[in-house]
Amino acid sequence: QQQVKQSPQSLIVQKGGIPIINCAYENTAFDYFPWYQQFPGKGPALLIAIRPDVSEKKEGRFTISFNKSAKQFSLHIMDSQPGDSATYFCAASSSTGTASKLTFGTGTRLQVTL
Amino acid sequence: NAGVMQNPRHLVRRRGQEARLRCSPMKGHSHVYWYRQLPEEGLKFMVYLQKENIIDESGMPKERFSAEFPKEGPSILRIQQVVRGDSAAYFCASSATDYGYTFGSGTRLTVV
Repeated sequence: QQQVKQSPQSLIVQKGGIPIINCAYENTAFDYFPWYQQFPGKGPALLIAIRPDVSEKKEGRFTISFNKSAKQFSLHIMDSQPGDSATYFCAASSSTGTASKLTFGTGTRLQVTL
Repeated sequence: NAGVMQNPRHLVRRRGQEARLRCSPMKGHSHVYWYRQLPEEGLKFMVYLQKENIIDESGMPKERFSAEFPKEGPSILRIQQVVRGDSAAYFCASSATDYGYTFGSGTRLTVV
């Protein structure tokens, strides 16, 4: 019940395309859903995060869509660029009020070609 | 304001040796988390610490692994008698009192 399932495992899009990465969860106690970007040899960096009281959140070219009833959320990258090539992880946590441990998806390796 | 500092970046140990991984959180952050990442996998939670306290160690293997976050100095993840299966990237993250971790660049442990 603690799993977060992420798909696809890898994705190749052309520059300017809109890659979409999907995640699904089962634990209804999860109340915080961040996305992380990781470049080779680096630690994950927080991209954008959402809570279940909103259905969509945009920050720059990154958008999270959240479907509470389906227990799914997704990341869209608008106007993708070669510099967006990285591994993306969704995650979820279930504490309120204080920082808590994250359950991560297995990652999506994105390649943006010219 | 330096980020989360982890050292060493790379660590090679022979089977049976001890590995010590260090993590200095961001200034003002009192919460430290350790995660392990196996090749081609996501990060798995290991332990959550505050100063001098282990808050949640539900992800720590029962044997050979220990963690501390002393009043002074960095947090330490210690792996005794390492085995090949311990080879992984170990990431430390820190936070203040709200959500939003900052991860370090990790320590890549190789057991030969």
